[in-house]
Amino acid sequence: DQQVKQNSPSLSVQEGRISILNCDYTNSMFDYFLWYKKYPAEGPTFLISISSIKDKNEDGRFTVFLNKSAKHLSLHIVPSQPGDSAVYFCAKTGGFKTIFGAGTRLFVKA
Amino acid sequence: DTGVSQDPRHKITKRGQNVTFRCDPISEHNRLYWYRQTLGQGPEFLTYFQNEAQLEKSRLLSDRFSAERPKGSFSTLEIQRTEQGDSAMYLCASSLLKTQYFGPGTRLLVL
Repeated sequence: DQQVKQNSPSLSVQEGRISILNCDYTNSMFDYFLWYKKYPAEGPTFLISISSIKDKNEDGRFTVFLNKSAKHLSLHIVPSQPGDSAVYFCAKTGGFKTIFGAGTRLFVKA
Repeated sequence: DTGVSQDPRHKITKRGQNVTFRCDPISEHNRLYWYRQTLGQGPEFLTYFQNEAQLEKSRLLSDRFSAERPKGSFSTLEIQRTEQGDSAMYLCASSLLKTQYFGPGTRLLVL
């Protein structure tokens, strides 16, 4: 039962353009959603989160959108930079248990 | 550096041997989690501690796996009689509330 799905295994974007990473989820019991970024040989790094009572949260170049009716989450990065190249995981949590998607590898080309 | 630390970063062992990993959480965090990550997958939840109490264990955590958090500070994850299928990245995370902060992980290779 895959409760968090990231259907795009990879995404390639030109530097300066917008990167949009998508995530679908099932089981709305979880009320908090997060995005993590992971570089090779490192642990995931927390990026941004959103509570289910909101539909948008913004932090600098990163914005997360939550569409509860569609059970869809997206992360926008604008402008994209080569240093953003990494694997991005979306996750949902209702407390202690956090469920992660399989990740989307983002390539930002200079 | 006051982040989550894990030791060792890499471990190579032969099948059947026991291994133990250590995690030191962010000092003020009372919640500690262990995850396992394999290639092409996101982290999979293994177990959760609140202070020294182990409150939840995943079905992924077979009888060969045991985790402890004495005194509610650092935690250890032991795998007994390792199997090749145990090869993975083992991640530790800690939190005060809902946002978990991860360590760099321990990469285990079982030959």
